[in-house]
Amino acid sequence: GENVEQHPSTLSVQEGDSAVIKCTYSDSASNYFPWYKQELGKRPQLIIDIRSNVGEKKDQRIAVTLNKTAKHFSLHITETQPEDSAVYFCAAIRSRDDKIIFGKGTRLHILP
Amino acid sequence: DAGVTQSPTHLIKTRGQQVTLRCSPISGHKSVSWYQQVLGQGPQFIFQYYEKEERGRGNFPDRFSARQFPNYSSELNVNALLLGDSALYLCASSSRSSNQPQHFGDGTRLSIL
Repeated sequence: GENVEQHPSTLSVQEGDSAVIKCTYSDSASNYFPWYKQELGKRPQLIIDIRSNVGEKKDQRIAVTLNKTAKHFSLHITETQPEDSAVYFCAAIRSRDDKIIFGKGTRLHILP
Repeated sequence: DAGVTQSPTHLIKTRGQQVTLRCSPISGHKSVSWYQQVLGQGPQFIFQYYEKEERGRGNFPDRFSARQFPNYSSELNVNALLLGDSALYLCASSSRSSNQPQHFGDGTRLSIL
């Protein structure tokens, strides 16, 4: 069945370094890929998204890349800050029936 | 503008009971989706409604049902509650179908005793 694999499950990086989270999806009909940040006890918040007709998108310190052939997409956070500590979720959505599959999440720790 | 609002924020039920959760989307948004989030996991897709019609359904039993009203608010109903239904239930709205940015509410935390 459809699946989104997300790695790593936990990631610790030094403040100021970069963090990369990777996702792989199985359904080739997926065409929209959002990333969400969820702090403890709070709602998931959309931080960036990418559509299947685009290979890369950047918003300040955050970027997302998509490789449709390999069915991979990745989140890149540069110059990490303490407030980046949270759980990050990727998701894949296909438009024909709006089925949305989330990854299991990556807990990002920014070390002082 | 108000964001997505959900009620109640917390709910305690016992096995076998029924529950109704409510969601009001962002003004102007016509699509509402429901998710179940178990602690330590990603949100699991339950339903998506657009213009009052069901557009998508996840792998949940028939005990789960939903509807969308003319004002685009939505209700999620769960019958014959099981212990495993304990979770955070999230609602998200978007302007059109789910192929658009979704904005989440704070969720309803449901505990089954």
